[in-house]
Amino acid sequence: GAVVSQHPSRVICKSGTSVKIECRSLDFQATTMFWYRQFPKQSLMLMATSNEGSKATYEQGVEKDKFLINHASLTLSTLTVTSAHPEDSSFYICSARYKTAFTEAFFGQGTRLTVV
Amino acid sequence: TQLLEQSPQFLSIQEGENLTVYCNSSSVFSSLQWYRQEPGEGPVLLVTVVTGGEVKKLKRLTFQFGDARKDSSLHITAAQPGDTGLYLCAGGPRSGTYKYIFGTGTRLKVLA
Repeated sequence: GAVVSQHPSRVICKSGTSVKIECRSLDFQATTMFWYRQFPKQSLMLMATSNEGSKATYEQGVEKDKFLINHASLTLSTLTVTSAHPEDSSFYICSARYKTAFTEAFFGQGTRLTVV
Repeated sequence: TQLLEQSPQFLSIQEGENLTVYCNSSSVFSSLQWYRQEPGEGPVLLVTVVTGGEVKKLKRLTFQFGDARKDSSLHITAAQPGDTGLYLCAGGPRSGTYKYIFGTGTRLKVLA
């Protein structure tokens, strides 16, 4: 399967600071990338859909000014958690789809964010 | 709002037992995927089913897509400790988008 790399895998930051998470498709072009949030022992909640060269589409209830998403190229999307607070601590996961196929998504390994 | 309900939520069984996990929705999906996720890692795709009534087998795992494409099941035969993990179904894509919606998840623990 295709490889999606997420970086960093773990990050601890102080309350009030911003954190950037990168999602890269290593061996394919991803027109669309998705960002998910996962609380302990729960399923994945879609936060936003990121399309290359355009603004991200956020799900209801997700603050777009707090979770900034940029999809600058066909292989890179970034999620920036701005002015992070302890309640933002979570597991964030990205996925990417092939440019020409919409039935399969490949996931990054996730980023564990802890805000102290 | 979760559109895909999985049952059971938790399952703890002995090695060698069989089990079935269900994924149900009131919505019709053009395809449905099953993933397995281990702690601290991203989900790994197991299978994609597209046709109503489709059955796919992956070694000891059997996946079925309902005739109406609203539900799916995952059956594991002779479970092994290595099958332990969080099983997630995902339905989609939503009309006009590439979005998949994830089910509520089933946490499986297989005891040796």
